[in-house]
Amino acid sequence: GQNIDQPTEMTATEGAIVQINCTYQTSGFNGLFWYQQHAGEAPTFLSYNVLDGLEEKGRFSSFLSRSKGYSYLLLKELQMKDSASYLCAVRSNDYKLSFGAGTTVTVRA
Amino acid sequence: DAMVIQNPRYQVTQFGKPVTLSCSQTLNHNVMYWYQQKSSQAPKLLFHYYDKDFNNEADTPDNFQSRRPNTSFCFLDIRSPGLGDAAMYLCATDKRRGAQGGYNEQFFGPGTRLTVL
Repeated sequence: GQNIDQPTEMTATEGAIVQINCTYQTSGFNGLFWYQQHAGEAPTFLSYNVLDGLEEKGRFSSFLSRSKGYSYLLLKELQMKDSASYLCAVRSNDYKLSFGAGTTVTVRA
Repeated sequence: DAMVIQNPRYQVTQFGKPVTLSCSQTLNHNVMYWYQQKSSQAPKLLFHYYDKDFNNEADTPDNFQSRRPNTSFCFLDIRSPGLGDAAMYLCATDKRRGAQGGYNEQFFGPGTRLTVL
């Protein structure tokens, strides 16, 4: 099975940077995904890591260390619309996703 | 635009009254998933279809069933909804290419919020 931990809540100011950490323990690893979920809406795909290192995609970057079972999502130049829940999800060798409970990010003016 | 569609977006049912939620996709993906998500919790996988093969999660209650009559449609049937089944139900799809896999992310529908009275 999978055990995925991420902080429950984070607050940051518009224009700032926020880093959301995710640690996982897995019985099989086949990639790590980050999803954004606005309240009452479906998760939308943000990023994917399967090899160690940093993946950059505009204002969002994601990092993975497989040996440490650790990932982070970095959100730069925060905007009010970035207020949402961010879900860390680990894919196992059978291609199923196991999600963390999500980190609610609140962006303040 | 290719997408995942769920109907209805909001469903109200009575305790014990069967209810069916539907999902359709225009992505031509061969895998379809059903998740249950309760407030402030992680989406929990109920089951998935890989092509026509049905895969049930070990802890999914018998009260939940699914049908996939063709590639595009998948249904979630709740035979006797209880108060604890009130949740958001998310349908997702991806395209799995056999052993080669690939990173193809799951695409989610907008969800159906189920209320049980």
